Amino acid sequence: GAVVSQHPSRVICKSGTSVKIECRSLDFQATTMFWYRQFPKQSLMLMATSNEGSKATYEQGVEKDKFLINHASLTLSTLTVTSAHPEDSSFYICSASPRAYNEQFFGPGTRLTVL
Amino acid sequence: SQQGEEDPQALSIQEGENATMNCSYKTSINNLQWYRQNSGRGLVHLILIRSNEREKHSGRLRVTLDTSKKSSSLLITASRAADTASYFCATGKGAQKLVFGQGTRLTINP
Repeated sequence: GAVVSQHPSRVICKSGTSVKIECRSLDFQATTMFWYRQFPKQSLMLMATSNEGSKATYEQGVEKDKFLINHASLTLSTLTVTSAHPEDSSFYICSASPRAYNEQFFGPGTRLTVL
Repeated sequence: SQQGEEDPQALSIQEGENATMNCSYKTSINNLQWYRQNSGRGLVHLILIRSNEREKHSGRLRVTLDTSKKSSSLLITASRAADTASYFCATGKGAQKLVFGQGTRLTINP
């Protein structure tokens, strides 16, 4: 149990376009989902925390108008990178936490390359 | 700010040897977790140690926690080639806002 999927696993887009990444909890309801970004050979940096039905909470330095997060249901959260630029190229990882659980379950990540 | 700092940043050992990685943190914690990440993949949860625990075992893994020194160590015994990966410690309170260390890139040479 406790499987989290992400789609797509890889995406290449042109500069200026928008890209949507989905994060799904497959076998549990996730009251909270987290989005992380990881640059090559670096650690994960939390971007934002989203709770179902409410606005996401963004970490300092993360542009909320650029990284749109929608947590529309207890099994789905989406991250949309708007007007993507090459510097947005990164590995984006989501995690999900079931209600009353003391653990986050991570998705396999999405590799975004902006040309 | 990044709470967890790990050392070494990179570690290369021979198969069969033990690998030890260390993690230090700055503020009080409820628990500390260790994760493994294979290249280009997501994170695999290895072990969670609570702040009132000093040592925990899981298979070939042994984790220690010293809250007085704000440090933890991960020991992998009898390493295998499949253990080649990056290892991260993460601190947090429950399911909220995990803060990851910089990670240790472990290479097991056959």
